[in-house]
Amino acid sequence: GDSVTQMEGPVTLSEEAFLTINCTYTATGYPSLFWYVQYPGEGLQLLLKATKADDKGSNKGFEATYRKETTSFHLEKGSVQVSDSAVYFCALRLYGQNFVFGPGTRLSVLP
Amino acid sequence: DAGVTQSPTHLIKTRGQQVTLRCSPKSGHDTVSWYQQALGQGPQFIFQYYEEEERQRGNFPDRFSGHQFPNYSSELNVNALLLGDSALYLCASSRINRGGDEKLFFGSGTQLSVL
Repeated sequence: GDSVTQMEGPVTLSEEAFLTINCTYTATGYPSLFWYVQYPGEGLQLLLKATKADDKGSNKGFEATYRKETTSFHLEKGSVQVSDSAVYFCALRLYGQNFVFGPGTRLSVLP
Repeated sequence: DAGVTQSPTHLIKTRGQQVTLRCSPKSGHDTVSWYQQALGQGPQFIFQYYEEEERQRGNFPDRFSGHQFPNYSSELNVNALLLGDSALYLCASSRINRGGDEKLFFGSGTQLSVL
């Protein structure tokens, strides 16, 4: 079946450090790819998405590029802030189907 | 504009009991999906409702059932609760479009504890 794998957390960084959270997927078709973020006590919020190969999604300084050849959608940010501390979920969705989420990666940014 | 609202925020039940969780979608949305998020895991799809019918279903037993009302709000019912049903239950709403690429908006969830 379709699945998403993420790097295990927690990831702990100092403020202004570079962030990479790895995400790879397995899908029977050609999915759209997403990153969602969950802040403490809140639901998930869409961070960015990409719908086809080589697309780059970006938002709030975060970026991820849809790499079909490596079935990856790694999340990056050049300089993290304390306010970026949250759980990040990579997800895929095939046309007309439900979302499939990865297990999440907890990020803690220290001042 | 209110987003997705869920009630209650927290709930404690005992094994064997039944529970009903409620969700009001974001204004303008016609589709509601329910997800179960166990501690330390990603959300798992339970089912989706559109036009008052179950449109898709994930790998959950029949103990999990739902309903959508004419105003698009939805309920999730779980019968014969098990300890393993303890989780955060998330409701997400969207508006169906021809592109099949609708954006999900999530509520803050209902934290269910089964003792």
